[in-house]
Amino acid sequence: EADIYQTPRYLVIGTGKKITLECSQTMGHDKMYWYQQDPGMELHLIHYSYGVNSTEKGDLSSESTVSRIRTEHFPLTLESARPSHTSQYLCASSAGQGIGELFFGEGSRLTVL
Amino acid sequence: GQQLNQSPQSMFIQEGEDVSMNCTSSSIFNTWLWYKQDPGEGPVLLIALYKAGELTSNGRLTAQFGITRKDSFLNISASIPSDVGIYFCAGFNYGGSQGNLIFGKGTKLSVKP
Repeated sequence: EADIYQTPRYLVIGTGKKITLECSQTMGHDKMYWYQQDPGMELHLIHYSYGVNSTEKGDLSSESTVSRIRTEHFPLTLESARPSHTSQYLCASSAGQGIGELFFGEGSRLTVL
Repeated sequence: GQQLNQSPQSMFIQEGEDVSMNCTSSSIFNTWLWYKQDPGEGPVLLIALYKAGELTSNGRLTAQFGITRKDSFLNISASIPSDVGIYFCAGFNYGGSQGNLIFGKGTKLSVKP
């Protein structure tokens, strides 16, 4: 079983609120990722990190930001949530040699009213 | 950019039937992967393929890396109700950013008992 955890699992908030989605992994993986997925739809990479103090934007433009101060922790922040941010956010990690072999968290389903 | 065409988009089958789905691309990939996503969960890696022509099994699942490196298929034999979910193919090329891991749009599998 993968040791990667996301909180909260579900979040309903009002427009304009600041939110942070937490992601932690205990596998010592250097690489971590955030994907956005509408229900039953494809995965879109929005952020990734190759290690501490390294963050890059993914293929899908996102108004969110990320930080990587510790290897095990990769939080995603939305400064001012909007209804268009309603989606599922999936965090993943991978070991250096396992290119493409991602371990996913259970996801955080965000609804912005 | 690179795109994966995954088909079929959805399947409704009877328990016990065999299932076949595939993924094609106009670009070549070094690695093909197949993930399964259960409802409300994050995707889980089923099979990873690293060599053109490679045929790999994992229980009732069999996947192949196409000779041209532009396609892959996944077969499930003797389907059971717990096979329900969305199956994603993914292709990866070395030497680039993690943005070079491309996901297909998924095949949604429904199994009737």
